[in-house]
Amino acid sequence: DGGITQSPKYLFRKEGQNVTLSCEQNLNHDAMYWYRQDPGQGLRLIYYSQIVNDFQKGDIAEGYSVSREKKESFPLTVTSAQKNPTAFYLCASRSTGGSYEQYFGPGTRLTVT
Amino acid sequence: GENVEQHPSTLSVQEGDSAVIKCTYSDSASNYFPWYKQELGKRPQLIIDIRSNVGEKKDQRIAVTLNKTAKHFSLHITETQPEDSAVYFCAARRNTGFQKLVFGTGTRLLVSP
Repeated sequence: DGGITQSPKYLFRKEGQNVTLSCEQNLNHDAMYWYRQDPGQGLRLIYYSQIVNDFQKGDIAEGYSVSREKKESFPLTVTSAQKNPTAFYLCASRSTGGSYEQYFGPGTRLTVT
Repeated sequence: GENVEQHPSTLSVQEGDSAVIKCTYSDSASNYFPWYKQELGKRPQLIIDIRSNVGEKKDQRIAVTLNKTAKHFSLHITETQPEDSAVYFCAARRNTGFQKLVFGTGTRLLVSP
């Protein structure tokens, strides 16, 4: 499955709770990304990281936080400040050493009620 | 920043027909143009990509063309099959600065038997 995993596949939370989505890759990729996808919509970038201990906001970072303490891991926390958190969340990674291809994880479908 | 427009949003064809999806981009510095296929509830998967130093690339029934002058690129699928039914996303990325993919809004392709 391309060496990038996300867990869990489905996640249910009550409104007002923070929740952390896992993303792990064993591809030795430097760059990692988080996207949000709403029904019938494209992919919107939440956060990205090019190297360990460094990350940048994407286009829709409000209400989200990330960390990059290890090269292989890039967890995303959806905070209670995110007004519409229900969505399909996709993690991706890419080598910055010449390869152009970006690989996606299988996604986590988060439902907040 | 980069903006990618994709048309049409939905495309219905009969099995065996050809399908064409078109994208335009705004950043003339973009030099990498991938196409992703996403089946319902699954991860986007790269099906073909093209770099700005070539005008066309083929892989069996799939081809991509690039017109750098007009800043257009297109996906061509010949002899469509029902299993081609999915959502297709185009994307563009420049090779300077932070290298993030900017995605189009997607095309839902339905191939009827």
